[in-house]
Amino acid sequence: DSGVTQTPKHLITATGQRVTLRCSPRSGDLSVYWYQQSLDQGLQFLIQYYNGEERAKGNILERFSAQQFPDLHSELNLSSLELGDSALYFCASSVSVRMNTEAFFGQGTRLTVV
Amino acid sequence: AQKVTQAQTEISVVEKEDVTLDCVYETRDTTYYLFWYKQPPSGELVFLIRRNSFDEQNEISGRYSWNFQKSTSSFNFTITASQVVDSAVYFCALRGGTGTASKLTFGTGTRLQVTL
Repeated sequence: DSGVTQTPKHLITATGQRVTLRCSPRSGDLSVYWYQQSLDQGLQFLIQYYNGEERAKGNILERFSAQQFPDLHSELNLSSLELGDSALYFCASSVSVRMNTEAFFGQGTRLTVV
Repeated sequence: AQKVTQAQTEISVVEKEDVTLDCVYETRDTTYYLFWYKQPPSGELVFLIRRNSFDEQNEISGRYSWNFQKSTSSFNFTITASQVVDSAVYFCALRGGTGTASKLTFGTGTRLQVTL
């Protein structure tokens, strides 16, 4: 158990809908990352937050947004969902943003868009 | 730009065989970190090891060992006497960058299948 909690574990929704994925980082970790894992794109970095502030953006679509709250949990919002958004979404946390700190991953949320 | 290449898409071995997973990286950063993660069939990503660019000492942890060679930009992972429980997808990752924003760049993964 990595200590990173993601809910829900599975989500099935229809095209055009909006969903929210939630992540609770490990105790003491200030940095949260979101990754998308799909068969054709592999593990893609979406966005990083540190202590409530956005620090880095990757290949995140405009239909997607995220935030980190004062209690350090994070939410990833996906809207106007398309079939191609079906993927495993991972949240990871680390104690800092320094590159020498390993990131610990949650179990992921498997999103299926039908 | 950073890039991690895991040329082996899938490897099958019989239990007790040794197996090496290759990882080649590209980066312009002088300071960077390399990681290996394991993704078992259950789906979670499990951290295995971190290595910084200034430390080329090989590392051994039980049946696992890692060989970092800066000259060839490689960070290979060897499992000795493989077991069925080692069956998983293994990802090599690179973390570099400047300032306070540094993402993990992953390779495409190598699926290891260990059979009896």
